[in-house]
Amino acid sequence: DAMVIQNPRYQVTQFGKPVTLSCSQTLNHNVMYWYQQKSSQAPKLLFHYYDKDFNNEADTPDNFQSRRPNTSFCFLDIRSPGLGDAAMYLCATSRDGGGGTDTQYFGPGTRLTVL
Amino acid sequence: EDQVTQSPEALRLQEGESSSLNCSYTVSGLRGLFWYRQDPGKGPEFLFTLYSAGEEKEKERLKATLTKKESFLHITAPKPEDSATYLCAVVTGTASKLTFGTGTRLQVTL
Repeated sequence: DAMVIQNPRYQVTQFGKPVTLSCSQTLNHNVMYWYQQKSSQAPKLLFHYYDKDFNNEADTPDNFQSRRPNTSFCFLDIRSPGLGDAAMYLCATSRDGGGGTDTQYFGPGTRLTVL
Repeated sequence: EDQVTQSPEALRLQEGESSSLNCSYTVSGLRGLFWYRQDPGKGPEFLFTLYSAGEEKEKERLKATLTKKESFLHITAPKPEDSATYLCAVVTGTASKLTFGTGTRLQVTL
């Protein structure tokens, strides 16, 4: 089955220690998104890639970076995690972001704990 | 700024007790409204997309409707497996950004 895969499902890191979260997709979608979801809150878009074009949300902290080496993979790098970065990180894909109304399909998420 | 408000925050129903969840929005130029289901510790699962006022979509016990100011998710004769958080999200303008509400936590008991 075509799907969005996130690894690891659970990640524990120390305050200030860089961490990388991974997302892969077998849907061959052009657009990949990263959302942050804190407990009992709405998912919040951090950034997205339309093919190789990177689009950062204005309020995404500089501490968050992303890489998309090819169509299938996208990485979220947190350079110096703080306690406030503990959250569920969701990866999503859509076929074509142009116009914005294509359905976004989500992976299972990575739960990040910062000690 | 686009705003999406969902109510109630939490809803407890008995099996078979039908009800509706509300998603009201204040946006400039709605292009689409999405409903997702999210189980604890998992990613959102797509349910419906609605594009224009008057549109309705159904799937099993769920029916989504859209007006110019709000959307309803009607749940008919719910079962315990319908227990989840239901998220509403909108897309506006030309951006690919989903703006989510904070969701309604639904619990269906026997």
